[in-house]
Amino acid sequence: GAVVSQHPSRVICKSGTSVKIECRSLDFQATTMFWYRQFPKQSLMLMATSNEGSKATYEQGVEKDKFLINHASLTLSTLTVTSAHPEDSSFYICSAQPGLAGGPVTGELFFGEGSRLTVL
Amino acid sequence: LAKTTQPISMDSYEGQEVNITCSHNNIATNDYITWYQQFPSQGPRFIIQGYKTKVTNEVASLFIPADRKSSTLSLPRVSLSDTAVYYCLVGDHLNTNAGKSTFGDGTTLTVKP
Repeated sequence: GAVVSQHPSRVICKSGTSVKIECRSLDFQATTMFWYRQFPKQSLMLMATSNEGSKATYEQGVEKDKFLINHASLTLSTLTVTSAHPEDSSFYICSAQPGLAGGPVTGELFFGEGSRLTVL
Repeated sequence: LAKTTQPISMDSYEGQEVNITCSHNNIATNDYITWYQQFPSQGPRFIIQGYKTKVTNEVASLFIPADRKSSTLSLPRVSLSDTAVYYCLVGDHLNTNAGKSTFGDGTTLTVKP
């Protein structure tokens, strides 16, 4: 099946610094990718929709200046947590759906492995 | 977007069949039902998808009644490695971005020896 890869899987940073997380679709093109945040024992919460070549669409309550999203190619989206603080510590996950950039749409989402951010 | 309701948790024993039901009373005509499995500290993984009646693959079956207001994920002969959180998503997944679907609370399945 299709593969979505995230990097890094774990990152620890100091408060006030910025952290970049990459999400790559390894064997398909993705015009759209999705970023989620998941706190312990909770469900996934959609943060934003990353659109190749255009601005990301953020969900209500998500600060776009805090969580910068860049989708510069059909296989790569990046999430940058700017001026991170301890409350930003969470598990960040991306996903993509093959076929939306051309080809058959199966309706199946492929998720990255997730990136655990710890802000000290 | 259709709201889903699932039991928060379920317990089972190895070798048993497990059925997890998801309610989606306001499912739309074009909506599909998709189930995902998530292990701790990993991204979710696709299990099965269906529109109506019954769908079966190598790991699970999905039963959808005629009114489509609920669906049941059936896991045959579970093992300890099936301990995970299971989510059902409902949406027009084939025509719009499935990623816009809302993740409900999911069902935490614990399989005991």
